[in-house]
Amino acid sequence: AQSVTQLDSQVPVFEEAPVELRCNYSSSVSVYLFWYVQYPNQGLQLLLKYLSGSTLVKGINGFEAEFNKSQTSFHLRKPSVHISDTAEYFCAVTSFGGGADGLTFGKGTHLIIQP
Amino acid sequence: GAGVSQSPSNKVTEKGKDVELRCDPISGHTALYWYRQSLGQGLEFLIYFQGNSAPDKSGLPSDRFSAERTGGSVSTLTIQRTQQEDSAVYLCASSATGSGTDTQYFGPGTRLTVL
Repeated sequence: AQSVTQLDSQVPVFEEAPVELRCNYSSSVSVYLFWYVQYPNQGLQLLLKYLSGSTLVKGINGFEAEFNKSQTSFHLRKPSVHISDTAEYFCAVTSFGGGADGLTFGKGTHLIIQP
Repeated sequence: GAGVSQSPSNKVTEKGKDVELRCDPISGHTALYWYRQSLGQGLEFLIYFQGNSAPDKSGLPSDRFSAERTGGSVSTLTIQRTQQEDSAVYLCASSATGSGTDTQYFGPGTRLTVL
């Protein structure tokens, strides 16, 4: 079984400031890690994913995330946020077998950009 | 190309009625997933289809829920004798092969309200 914890339900940040959204996971098996974004009244869209190799993963819209196996974390960062980044961000994991296990999501973090 | 489509976008029903939710995956994707997004439970994985194979139904919340996938393409999620706790957004996703490395592409969802 897997679980994902997103430590902050809301993160307010001023425009052009850096941001970090935290994600920790727990699993008895090896997992792949994902960050999805949900803009207001839209579906979920993949930001980035970690499968293997370099622990620093770059995604769309200037976001990046770092996989830390010892701390079982996959925190999402952006050096300078914009108003358009206002959205709900979800961290998710799936087992190497994928498919039948589906994605296990965290509760989400609402990123609020203040002008 | 076309993404995952779902219909209807909104459904309001009375307690005790049956509802059917439809999902059209991306053409050529063999894997199809259903999720439920609610305020209390967050995003929950419900069921996975791989091509025409029979799915594992163990993730469905109760025996009032059923799902089928015809011809390895379109899927229908049926909820019988709806209850107020079934109110949620039902999301469908598809991926190319069902591997854990695949990106799951999500539809816009069906918002179900049970009065």
